[in-house]
Amino acid sequence: EVQLVESGGGLVQPGGSLRLSCAASGFTFSSYAMSWVRQAPGKGLEWVSTITGSGGSTYYADSVKGRFTVSRDNSKNTLFLQMSSLRAEDTAVYYCAKYIRCFDYWGQGTLITVSS
Amino acid sequence: DIVMTQTPLSSPVTLGQPASISCRSSQSLVHSDGNTYLSWLQQRPGQPPRLLIYKISNRFSGVPDRFSGSGAGTDFTLKISRVEAEDVGVYYCIQATQFPITFGQGTRLEIK
Repeated sequence: EVQLVESGGGLVQPGGSLRLSCAASGFTFSSYAMSWVRQAPGKGLEWVSTITGSGGSTYYADSVKGRFTVSRDNSKNTLFLQMSSLRAEDTAVYYCAKYIRCFDYWGQGTLITVSS
Repeated sequence: DIVMTQTPLSSPVTLGQPASISCRSSQSLVHSDGNTYLSWLQQRPGQPPRLLIYKISNRFSGVPDRFSGSGAGTDFTLKISRVEAEDVGVYYCIQATQFPITFGQGTRLEIK
């Protein structure tokens, strides 16, 4: 059974940094691209970033480019999202999702609140 | 960027009746590999999203056959043949033909 479990969320001040993790199990992690998708309170879904299975290629939404960095540790079946220069508009639930040109499995999400 | 436009944004439906959601993309979603990477998600209240349909019309594992997808090019439709109470939630179309991946605004399905 595929499982994705996010962690690392919390309250952070504007301009601060945070690192999210997503622990994966139930599939060959290194064989699949992974993504982060976020959802601001009461809003729709927004793609944030995708990383290929090897980690060799990464993609970002313009809204986070230069501030967020996606990475993965295939030896530990873990996906990361390093977030810096956080803004109020980054407040959202962040989901990790397995990606095969669609998001076939999702984690439960972790809430990031950017506020002073 | 490819803009995804869903209609309607809200859909009140009677239990047991059909429902239909339209999704239009601002440009063709046909990839150079010949596939069309249009998928549909369901998000029940308080839950993470769940994949329903991928590549226009393929039902994901465990998805009831009352859900179906159709379309081509820039126009796509999700249909529910007979709405059940558990279908309440928000439905999103997504294009993954090119980056940035983009979502429709979401369509809220509610029971009359």
